[in-house]
Amino acid sequence: EAQVTQNPRYLITVTGKKLTVTCSQNMNHEYMSWYRQDPGLGLRQIYYSMNVEVTDKGDVPEGYKVSRKEKRNFPLILESPSPNQTSLYFCASSKTGLAQYFGPGTRLLVL
Amino acid sequence: TQLLEQSPQFLSIQEGENLTVYCNSSSVFSSLQWYRQEPGEGPVLLVTVVTGGEVKKLKRLTFQFGDARKDSSLHITAAQPGDTGLYLCAGSNTGNQFYFGTGTSLTVIP
Repeated sequence: EAQVTQNPRYLITVTGKKLTVTCSQNMNHEYMSWYRQDPGLGLRQIYYSMNVEVTDKGDVPEGYKVSRKEKRNFPLILESPSPNQTSLYFCASSKTGLAQYFGPGTRLLVL
Repeated sequence: TQLLEQSPQFLSIQEGENLTVYCNSSSVFSSLQWYRQEPGEGPVLLVTVVTGGEVKKLKRLTFQFGDARKDSSLHITAAQPGDTGLYLCAGSNTGNQFYFGTGTSLTVIP
């Protein structure tokens, strides 16, 4: 089954404790992206990647890092999480950059 | 940041009614997408429009891209409870960066 998977689905952590949210797709897509969704603000793009070893900033990259060492994986790294990074995070992938397939989401709470 | 405004923010209608959701921006986009998101899930793509004035139909859903490529609308005919969800529009100029609207939450009452 073609899908985008994210882990973990739910995470509670404390300020400053480094964490990684993994994202993997099995559709051989070149394009991958991370978004955060907050009430009243909608989905905002954090980082995107056009292909392996190619990443670029989206609208709200501050406080986040990404890497794209393999085509199928695009982890999101929070080196020192803060409470304002509490949010619902989505990973997406696409072959063309238009028809994006989204993962199920990761709900993060930073205390 | 390129802002996409959706209206209405919330919509509650009876089964069988028609409705239109609007997505407006002051910016021009080369493509615009519509997604539907259900609680606890990621958005699912409904349609992509790329040409000014373009109209696409998906069963009871009709999507239109404005002539100036700054706005779009989604019209649902004879809404059904299965249409309930959060409808999101997203604009892009490069195919890399995407700007999403804040969404329209639709509830169709049986």
